[in-house]
Amino acid sequence: SSELTQDPAVSVALGQTVRITCQGDSLRTYYASWYQQKPGQAPVLVIYGKNNRPSGIPDRFSGSSSGNTASLTITGAQAEDEADYYCNSRDSSGNHLVFGGGTKLTVL
Amino acid sequence: QLQLQESGPGLVKPSETLSLTCTVSGGSISSSYYYWGWIRQPPGKGLEWIGTIYYSGSTYYNPSLKSRVFISVDTSKNQFSLKLTSVAAADTAVYYCAKHWFSSSWTQVDYWGQGTLVTVSS
Repeated sequence: SSELTQDPAVSVALGQTVRITCQGDSLRTYYASWYQQKPGQAPVLVIYGKNNRPSGIPDRFSGSSSGNTASLTITGAQAEDEADYYCNSRDSSGNHLVFGGGTKLTVL
Repeated sequence: QLQLQESGPGLVKPSETLSLTCTVSGGSISSSYYYWGWIRQPPGKGLEWIGTIYYSGSTYYNPSLKSRVFISVDTSKNQFSLKLTSVAAADTAVYYCAKHWFSSSWTQVDYWGQGTLVTVSS
């Protein structure tokens, strides 16, 4: 399968920890990358590879992977983390990119 | 700092061809290991990969769009372009150009243009 599946919506209390998941067969072969998108803005890469953060991304963002599931964890969620989050990987052929449907994170 | 900027018509008629260009600044489009692509997002919906090109001209397209998509690169202008033929209302979206980086075990889209809204309407 070339699809990546995400929960449509997740909520977290301010300062608590939240995990956003992404499932797909290709994740057994490839790591996911994760993107944060706020309204009216382009997505921003927050995690790539096994667990790498681009410069400027807070260390409360981390990534992990197990079997066909990739996870983005925000430890100590802040109000500014409220956004849509997308996972991305290659499909099983390795030649095509796929995105998950996105998860809307609400910080309560 | 690498920057990408989309340009092209914001309104396209049904059945016509959507054409967009992405201008890359702050770096060379011919850099090894950099791939360049297009991603779109219909209003209120998620991201959809359209296709990717390497400076040598190698292309990779979303199978669901492959029959209608053509991506080209002009290294002399540091630009790459998208053509999507036979458009319909479902092609209305914000179109992003982006830089990809491929490793053996992951892909990242690490630079994005600001996006340009293309509406398909008569």
